[in-house]
Amino acid sequence: SQQGEEDPQALSIQEGENATMNCSYKTSINNLQWYRQNSGRGLVHLILIRSNEREKHSGRLRVTLDTSKKSSSLLITASRAADTASYFCATDAYGGANSKLTFGKGITLSVRP
Amino acid sequence: DTGVSQDPRHKITKRGQNVTFRCDPISEHNRLYWYRQTLGQGPEFLTYFQNEAQLEKSRLLSDRFSAERPKGSFSTLEIQRTEQGDSAMYLCASSPQGLQTQYFGPGTRLLVL
Repeated sequence: SQQGEEDPQALSIQEGENATMNCSYKTSINNLQWYRQNSGRGLVHLILIRSNEREKHSGRLRVTLDTSKKSSSLLITASRAADTASYFCATDAYGGANSKLTFGKGITLSVRP
Repeated sequence: DTGVSQDPRHKITKRGQNVTFRCDPISEHNRLYWYRQTLGQGPEFLTYFQNEAQLEKSRLLSDRFSAERPKGSFSTLEIQRTEQGDSAMYLCASSPQGLQTQYFGPGTRLLVL
C-alpha cells in the first residue's frame, strides 16, 4: 500500500516560475525524502528531512515538514526545462536497520521553455 | 560509473517463463532493496537485504518470487512462471550503513506477453 499522497497529480508551469508540490502521509515517520524520476529511468534522491526538522534547503530546493498535519511540501524555485520529471515523496517509518521507503503516486511536473 | 547497475534493462518474456534480474549495488553499501513500479504509480517495496541476510519481504512477493544476495554484494531477483500482472519496472536500490538515503539503479523493465 502507498502511504504518501502527492498533490497536485500534475503541474505545468513556465520556465522561471516556482513549483510547489505537496505530500501527505498517514503514519508516524522517522524521515521523509523527495525523489525525482525522469521518464523511464531510476529515481534520484533530492533531499531528506528528519521528523524533528521543519525546513531544509538544498540549492533551488526547499522542503518543509509538518508532522502535526502529516504533510510536506517541496518548492523548486526558478524552474528549468530540465526539472521536467515525476517527483515522489517517500516516507521512512523506521530510520534504523530497516529503512524501507513507502512512496506516493508521484507528481508529474512539466516546465515549458 | 560507480552507481547502482541493473541487468538487463529490458526483458520481454512469454507468460509462464522464468526470468532473473541482477542488481549490482554501490560498492560497500551493505543494504540492498528491491522495489516494483507499475505505470503511473510510485515504487512499492518488495524485499530488503542487509549484507547477505534477507531481513524483510513484502506480501507483494508471492511464492513465485525469490531474491538472493549470496555474498552480500550483487543480488538477483527471480520470477517463476511469469504472469501478465508481473509486467512492471523492477528497481534496485542500495544504501550504506547509517544513512537513510537510497541510491537507485536504472531499473529493469519487464513485459510479460
